Order: sequence, then structure tokens, then C-alpha cells
Amino acid sequence: DTRMTQSPSGLSASVGDSVTITCRAGHTINKYLNWYQHKPGEAPRLLIYAASNLQSGVPSRFSGSGSGTNFTLTISSLQPEDSATYYCQQSFSGYTFGQGTKLEIK
Amino acid sequence: QVQLVQSGAEVKKPGASVRVSCKASGYSFTSYYMHWVRQAPGQGLQWMGEINPISGGTSYAQSLQGRVAITRDTSASTVYMELTNLISEDTAVYFCARVHLGTSPFDYWGQGTLITVSS
Repeated sequence: DTRMTQSPSGLSASVGDSVTITCRAGHTINKYLNWYQHKPGEAPRLLIYAASNLQSGVPSRFSGSGSGTNFTLTISSLQPEDSATYYCQQSFSGYTFGQGTKLEIK
Repeated sequence: QVQLVQSGAEVKKPGASVRVSCKASGYSFTSYYMHWVRQAPGQGLQWMGEINPISGGTSYAQSLQGRVAITRDTSASTVYMELTNLISEDTAVYFCARVHLGTSPFDYWGQGTLITVSS
């Protein structure tokens, strides 16, 4: 299995701030990296696919970058509704999720 | 519109089995693989397995091999996930999610089904 390591595990930021979450793969996964937002009691929501492609309907303040083993999710101009846990997922060889990053909006 | 509607919450005793259904609508059922993912309390997302809706071929997480089975009924556009020999650590919310191709993301998810394993 391809191990996915996210950092940080949790962070707190204010409305209007910008935050970056990092995801590292145990070996190269090219650009087969997806990002999801998950709120309690809801289904996870696809934000970014293939490292940098914005899913339809997702606000443009969400962006992704990276390739190989290192990837980032950036959320700019944070909004209160961005409070959630964010997961990276590799789809290069099977499917593996990172351990999640819990984002709190102050 | 695409919808994946799952069956309701269940409480099971240790050693029992549970079957969760996921009914798809709004798209061609046989054009998308279906996967199952679970989230135990306070934990992250864990991939469980997948099914090819055309062939019925399956692939499972190694940690669940021998206890999980995913099947489908193409006439009902429904996928089933059965987990046997339940233990307390199987208490989780279970999600189905569809995938178009082998390396594609999970673009639509079911609403989740809470399975509680308790004596």
C-alpha cells in the first residue's frame, strides 16, 4: 500500500486567512492525488482531482499543486464554512487516504 | 441528478454480519465502479474495497480480506457491502462512492450508514 502522510494534523486560522496543507506519498504517484473536504454528518466532498484540477462547483479559493511525492492544498480567503477535515487520497495504485487535517476557523 | 442512497443505521452484536446497500440513480450504473469507505469514531477514512459493475469483479483491502464481500444487482442499480464476524472496531460510518476509471477520484458519495457493533 502507498502510505500518504498529511501535515499538519490540525490547524486554526481566521476568516480571510490563507492556509496550506501538505500531503506526501511514500513513493511517486505522478499526479494521481485528490483532495476531499469532510464535515461531520455529511458525505466527503471532492475538491481537487489529479493534483490541481478544481472539481465542478467548488469555489476557486481552493487550489492544489504538486506531482511525484509532494502535494499541497491551499485555501485562500478562508470562510466560516471551510471548517472541516481535509483528506488527500492517492489513486495511482489502489486507493489510500492521508490521516486528515482538521481545520478550525476562529 | 446523480444520487447514491444507502440503507439505514443498524446495531449488531459481535460475531454477527451486516449488509449495507447503496442504490444508484441519475447515471449509467455500469459505467462506474463502486467503492466502499468507512470512518470509525475519531478516525480517518479507510478504503475497504471496490466492484466492477459489469463483471462483478472485486478487490478488497488486505486488512478486511475474508470478512468483506461486495456484490451488485445490475437490474436494481444497487451495490451491497457485507461484513461478517463483526467486532467492536467495525463500529463506523460506511460510505459508498463511485469512480469512473481506475485512477479517477470518488466524485459522488452516499450519505453514509452508521453500523454499531455492541453486545
